[in-house]
Amino acid sequence: NAGVTQTPKFQVLKTGQSMTLQCAQDMNHNSMYWYRQDPGMGLRLIYYSASEGTTDKGEVPNGYNVSRLNKREFSLRLESAAPSQTSVYFCASSEVTGAGYGYTFGSGTRLTVV
Amino acid sequence: EDQVTQSPEALRLQEGESSSLNCSYTVSGLRGLFWYRQDPGKGPEFLFTLYSAGEEKEKERLKATLTKKESFLHITAPKPEDSATYLCAVNNAGNMLTFGGGTRLMVKP
Repeated sequence: NAGVTQTPKFQVLKTGQSMTLQCAQDMNHNSMYWYRQDPGMGLRLIYYSASEGTTDKGEVPNGYNVSRLNKREFSLRLESAAPSQTSVYFCASSEVTGAGYGYTFGSGTRLTVV
Repeated sequence: EDQVTQSPEALRLQEGESSSLNCSYTVSGLRGLFWYRQDPGKGPEFLFTLYSAGEEKEKERLKATLTKKESFLHITAPKPEDSATYLCAVNNAGNMLTFGGGTRLMVKP
């Protein structure tokens, strides 16, 4: 099935631990994004990659790093997890940056930091 | 700063009871307004794009409309399977999407 695949689906971390969230798309899209979703706050952009080899900060980048490994894969790393990073994380891709009609989202990673 | 506000936060309807969801926005240079549907435990799924005031789009029981300050998602004779969270987003001159907080719709049989 074509789409965006995120791993893992669930994760519990202790404060200070690190982890990497993985995302892969098989639609040959150029742009990829990482969002976090918190109750009542909508989706907020963490980082994005307009094309292979480029990454840029979004609205809430502090505490995160990203890597665009190749055209298919875009990972999000938490170096030292904090309780404020408890959230649901979504990866998305689109053929053209900002083309909201063409965004395909993954099913999310639910992260709890204790 | 771009802002998108959705109301109400939650809406309970009886099956067949029509209603509307609101999305108010302030954005510099609107390049598109988008509606998404999100089911529990899943990512958002694209529904509609609107580009200019007066534009309307329809899909089954849903109709989206756009003015210069807000968009409405009208739901006609909803069914329980329409229960979901509906998200609104705008694309600005910086070519990024700003999302609203969503409206959680519950349709009771």
